[in-house]
Amino acid sequence: NAGVTQTPKFQVLKTGQSMTLQCAQDMNHNSMYWYRQDPGMGLRLIYYSASEGTTDKGEVPNGYNVSRLNKREFSLRLESAAPSQTSVYFCASRTRQGQIYGYTFGSGTRLTVV
Amino acid sequence: QKEVEQNSGPLSVPEGAIASLNCTYSDRGSQSFFWYRQYSGKSPELIMFIYSNGDKEDGRFTAQLNKASQYVSLLIRDSQPSDSATYLCAVNGDSAGNMLTFGGGTRLMVKP
Repeated sequence: NAGVTQTPKFQVLKTGQSMTLQCAQDMNHNSMYWYRQDPGMGLRLIYYSASEGTTDKGEVPNGYNVSRLNKREFSLRLESAAPSQTSVYFCASRTRQGQIYGYTFGSGTRLTVV
Repeated sequence: QKEVEQNSGPLSVPEGAIASLNCTYSDRGSQSFFWYRQYSGKSPELIMFIYSNGDKEDGRFTAQLNKASQYVSLLIRDSQPSDSATYLCAVNGDSAGNMLTFGGGTRLMVKP
C-alpha cells in the first residue's frame, strides 16, 4: 500500500548509544519531514528535506542529523542518545490535495533513552 | 517564533452534541490551516483543511477561519464516542509552504 513507512516501531537505547530511524515513502513526493512529539507539546519539526539532495533544520535540530538518501528515503540519526530525546518520532511526506498541501505521516517510532 | 495555541483540554461533550475546538496562531502571513485527528498511540491523520475566510463543511465537520482575528476552529456535529481523540491544529509555517507548525492539541472526550 502507498504511504510512509517507518522503522523500527519501538526502540530502547542506553544513554550515549547511537541509532538511525528509517523512513521511506512510495508516493513520489519531493518533501519529507521528521517531527518529534512529546506529551502536551504537539509536534515539533526536527529537520526537513524540501527535495532530494537538500536538508534544513527545523525547530529542534540539536542532537540529530539527517540524510536524504534518495527521493524515497529520509533517515534520522541520533549520534549520542540522551534521555531528553525520549519521544515519539514521526516521519511525514508532503501530500497534495487539490491546491493544498498536507502531510501523510508514518506510524511513528517510540524511542526510550535510559 | 511562530506559535499555534490550543487549549489542551480535555473537552468533554455528551454524545450527539456539538464539539467546538479552537486554535489561534501568531503569524499573520499564514495561508493554509489544517486539522488533524490523532487517536491514542496512532499517527495524526488529516481531516480538514481551509485557506479562505469563512466556513468549510465536510460531513459532520466544519472548519471556520477568521484571518483578521487569527483563529481557526473545528466544529464536530452529532459527536460520537469514536470522535474521542486529540485534535491538532496546524498552520502553514513558511511562504514556500514547506513546513507546518502544530499546536499542542486538544483532547476531546465524547461520553455515551
